[in-house]
Amino acid sequence: DGGITQSPKYLFRKEGQNVTLSCEQNLNHDAMYWYRQDPGQGLRLIYYSQIVNDFQKGDIAEGYSVSREKKESFPLTVTSAQKNPTAFYLCASSGSGGRFYEQYFGPGTRLTVT
Amino acid sequence: AQSVTQLDSQVPVFEEAPVELRCNYSSSVSVYLFWYVQYPNQGLQLLLKYLSGSTLVESINGFEAEFNKSQTSFHLRKPSVHISDTAEYFCAAKGYSGAGSYQLTFGKGTKLSVIP
Repeated sequence: DGGITQSPKYLFRKEGQNVTLSCEQNLNHDAMYWYRQDPGQGLRLIYYSQIVNDFQKGDIAEGYSVSREKKESFPLTVTSAQKNPTAFYLCASSGSGGRFYEQYFGPGTRLTVT
Repeated sequence: AQSVTQLDSQVPVFEEAPVELRCNYSSSVSVYLFWYVQYPNQGLQLLLKYLSGSTLVESINGFEAEFNKSQTSFHLRKPSVHISDTAEYFCAAKGYSGAGSYQLTFGKGTKLSVIP
């Protein structure tokens, strides 16, 4: 079945450590996205990529980094510079070409930093 | 910049009663509208979408939403809710953000609680 996988589902880290969240899709989508979700805040866009080897900052990119070396993969690194990293992280993908394509979401990774 | 407002953060409703989840958007250009549903500790699933054509769109599980351009609204309705509809619902709008790209903006979500 086609879809988006995120691993792990739950992740625990100590403050000051970098951590990388995995996102893989087999939908043959060009565009991929990372969102952060906090209670009552909706979804906020961290980074997005519309094509391999290219990515753009979203609304809250500070303290995060990404890479897009393969079409299927878009890993997110939460660095020690991110002041409040504990959150639910969602990866999404969509076809490119703009307006008519909805985004498909993975199951999410809940990151807890103590 | 585009914005999406979901007017109610929480909506409790009794089982088999009707429900309306309200969504307003702001945009001066063409916009494409979506409703997503999120069950606890899961990702978002697309419930329905409006791209063009008929202003009333329906989902396979009994939800419907009506695009109202004059009121810039895209409210979600269901005539009779089930316990299984308990979830968080997100309204989203996709509009042109320049340089050939379209940005998807989410509302803050409405938690629907169905009471037995």
